[in-house]
Amino acid sequence: NAGVTQTPKFQVLKTGQSMTLQCAQDMNHNSMYWYRQDPGMGLRLIYYSASEGTTDKGEVPNGYNVSRLNKREFSLRLESAAPSQTSVYFCASSSGEESYNEQFFGPGTRLTVL
Amino acid sequence: AQSVAQPEDQVNVAEGNPLTVKCTYSVSGNPYLFWYVQYPNRGLQFLLKYITGDNLVKGSYGFEAEFNKSQTSFHLKKPSALVSDSALYFCAVRDYGNNRLAFGKGNQVVVIP
Repeated sequence: NAGVTQTPKFQVLKTGQSMTLQCAQDMNHNSMYWYRQDPGMGLRLIYYSASEGTTDKGEVPNGYNVSRLNKREFSLRLESAAPSQTSVYFCASSSGEESYNEQFFGPGTRLTVL
Repeated sequence: AQSVAQPEDQVNVAEGNPLTVKCTYSVSGNPYLFWYVQYPNRGLQFLLKYITGDNLVKGSYGFEAEFNKSQTSFHLKKPSALVSDSALYFCAVRDYGNNRLAFGKGNQVVVIP
């Protein structure tokens, strides 16, 4: 099992450009999450999907959109990138059946917006 | 809303000495508590969790954590630190009945040979 995979690993954008970060999991998990990690701020939840067909805003959703394409895949889209979105982005998944299940994380995407 | 505090930015410890990483939490209901570790340029890896039951929880790589309800704390411990334990450690809390995790800002652990 590959676990949680993310593409791309690195990306440099210019202000105003758009891009989609891809995430897939092969653990048959119901819940998937997108976080951003910034120095000294821990991880902040952007969006999450409790199950296929549902998405909800997290702590910092502004400037982002998500799509739960199917049970395996959960993408994050930046429509018009801004320098404030320079960050490391992590996708995670959990079985989601109960809220005590741990989350499994992907390797991250390092995004720089110039 | 739930929250987690990790009061120290960095913890320095000599190899072979005990390691403690502190975490306090705030939730409205029964807490589900987690510790994760992040090695450089990697994603977070699950270490251990407290759901209910015994206050001392054992996890991966020789780590354990003690849940203290009266002090609302969930400190991570290892009896004898290794240089390979040098990493960023995150505490997280989830409200009962809520699928969202709140993470602390992380603690950098440096184990000195």
